Amino acid sequence: DGGITQSPKYLFRKEGQNVTLSCEQNLNHDAMYWYRQDPGQGLRLIYYSQIVNDFQKGDIAEGYSVSREKKESFPLTVTSAQKNPTAFYLCASSLSGSTDTQYFGPGTRLTVL
Amino acid sequence: DQQVKQNSPSLSVQEGRISILNCDYTNSMFDYFLWYKKYPAEGPTFLISISSIKDKNEDGRFTVFLNKSAKHLSLHIVPSQPGDSAVYFCAASAGTGANNLFFGTGTRLTVIP
Repeated sequence: DGGITQSPKYLFRKEGQNVTLSCEQNLNHDAMYWYRQDPGQGLRLIYYSQIVNDFQKGDIAEGYSVSREKKESFPLTVTSAQKNPTAFYLCASSLSGSTDTQYFGPGTRLTVL
Repeated sequence: DQQVKQNSPSLSVQEGRISILNCDYTNSMFDYFLWYKKYPAEGPTFLISISSIKDKNEDGRFTVFLNKSAKHLSLHIVPSQPGDSAVYFCAASAGTGANNLFFGTGTRLTVIP
């Protein structure tokens, strides 16, 4: 049963703490992405990775960091430098980094108290 | 600057009738367009796409129309069903590259039984 998993579904953290969101895919996709969704807004790209050990900043990378040590995993760390971290975070993957359709995970809702 | 716009935040339609969701874009370089459907607290699921070389693509109850001269696309759902109630995102891409998928802000469709 192939797909993308994100954990946890809901996450609460105190202000000033770093937190890491997990994203795993078993679709054998090369490219993976992190998006953020805020109420009333479209998805905004945080980081993307087209291949293992390589990743690029998206439109709103400040305050976030990622790693891509394995093809199937693309964790996102929300650091204390992110000014407004409370949001719904979505991970996606695609076969390659071209115009291939992106498939999304279920999302993680992060609330910073 | 929002390059993909969905000007209607919400739409209500009677079950069995046609739902028409609209999307406008500003970048004439966009050549691939997608529609995603999203339920609350879940990731978007891919619905249908269209390349700029076509003006229509149909998949079951879903049809996407592209008017390049007007920089406008629309998603038609016929007949609408209560299970179609969700937020629909339009997305557009220009050429290859993992960082050029732009999303609209979404339209919430409610199908009334």
